[in-house]
This record gives sequence, structure tokens and C-alpha cells, in this order.
Amino acid sequence: SQQGEEDPQALSIQEGENATMNCSYKTSINNLQWYRQNSGRGLVHLILIRSNEREKHSGRLRVTLDTSKKSSSLLITASRAADTASYFCATFTSGTYKYIFGTGTRLKVLA
Amino acid sequence: DVKVTQSSRYLVKRTGEKVFLECVQDMDHENMFWYRQDPGLGLRLIYFSYDVKMKEKGDIPEGYSVSREKKERFSLILESASTNQTSMYLCASSFWADSNQPQHFGDGTRLSIL
Repeated sequence: SQQGEEDPQALSIQEGENATMNCSYKTSINNLQWYRQNSGRGLVHLILIRSNEREKHSGRLRVTLDTSKKSSSLLITASRAADTASYFCATFTSGTYKYIFGTGTRLKVLA
Repeated sequence: DVKVTQSSRYLVKRTGEKVFLECVQDMDHENMFWYRQDPGLGLRLIYFSYDVKMKEKGDIPEGYSVSREKKERFSLILESASTNQTSMYLCASSFWADSNQPQHFGDGTRLSIL
């Protein structure tokens, strides 16, 4: 079963606006990761946040993690048309060897 | 950069055929994974391997098997292909899973079973 559930399922914004995607999960985790998938391609790792971290930045990306609410958010600032893609969260729990992916958010950035 | 290479981007096979999907990684990763991706269902884990000749079932192993004879290569086998196995197949690799490392993905194989 899918642990991560992204919200919204789809998002359409204008270039230059910020995009926020949310992810909820069900069990204790060691880390949570965000990936991007361009149409018809594989997934590309964006950022990893550990369970003892609350916020992390990488370029135009900002990720937050609230382990008490079992949720994470990904903020993309000043979006560009090239950010158009699907975004997935994935959780990892020690001892399982498995990364559990959500169903993704489809982001469309209009030029 | 880590490179995960899947042998085919597109593949068309017939029902009942035995199908092999190959994946090679060049970063000496211990772990390798096979997923299938279907609209609305996200990525579902079929099998993974944490060492040569070792394999573990994922969430949807039925109808599939895997082989890992060398560390860099992980093969997914559809024993007798069926139309419900038409999907996008993604291979991934990572370092030892407990080290907070991300997965690295290939570009995927879009498999159609006719």
C-alpha cells in the first residue's frame, strides 16, 4: 500500500508564482525524500530531509517536515516552465530496505 | 554522476512470452529495485535486492521474478507476459539502505503486452 499521499493531485500556476505540495504518511520514518519526474522519464532526486530535521533548503526548493503530524511540504519558489513535472514524496524506514512512494502531484507551470 | 541504464525505453511483446528487462548501474550500489508505475497508483515495488544473489519480494511480486548475478546488474523477468503487465517499469539503485541515501533511477521501460 502507498504510505505517502500527495496533495493536491494536480496544480497549475503561472510562471513566477510559488508552488506548494504536501505529503502525508502513516508510520515512523528515518527520512523523507522528494523526487521529480518529467513526462516519460525516470525520477530524479531533489532533496532528502531526515526525521530529526524540520526544514531544509536547496536552491529554489524548501522542504519542511512535521513528524508529529506525519506530513511534509515542498515549496518551489519563483517557478519556471521547466518545473513542469510530477513530484513524488518517498519515505524510508530503517530495517525495511524499502522506499514507499506516494501517487504524486502533477505541476504545470504556464509561461 | 550515478548512471542507471535500462536496456530498452520501449518494448512490445505478446501475451505468454517470457520477457527480460535489464538494468545496470555504475556506482557500486548494494541495493537495486524494480518498480512499476501506473496512472493513479504511483510507484509500486515489485522486487529489490540488497546484495548479489539476494532478493526480496516487494508489494506486487506475482508474475515476476528477478536475477542478480553481478552487483551492477539486476534483471526483471516476466515469466509469461499478460496484458495486465503493460506498464512503465523503473529500475533504481542506492547505497546500503540505512545510510540516508536517495535512490537513483533509470529512464524507465514502457512495456506493452499485446
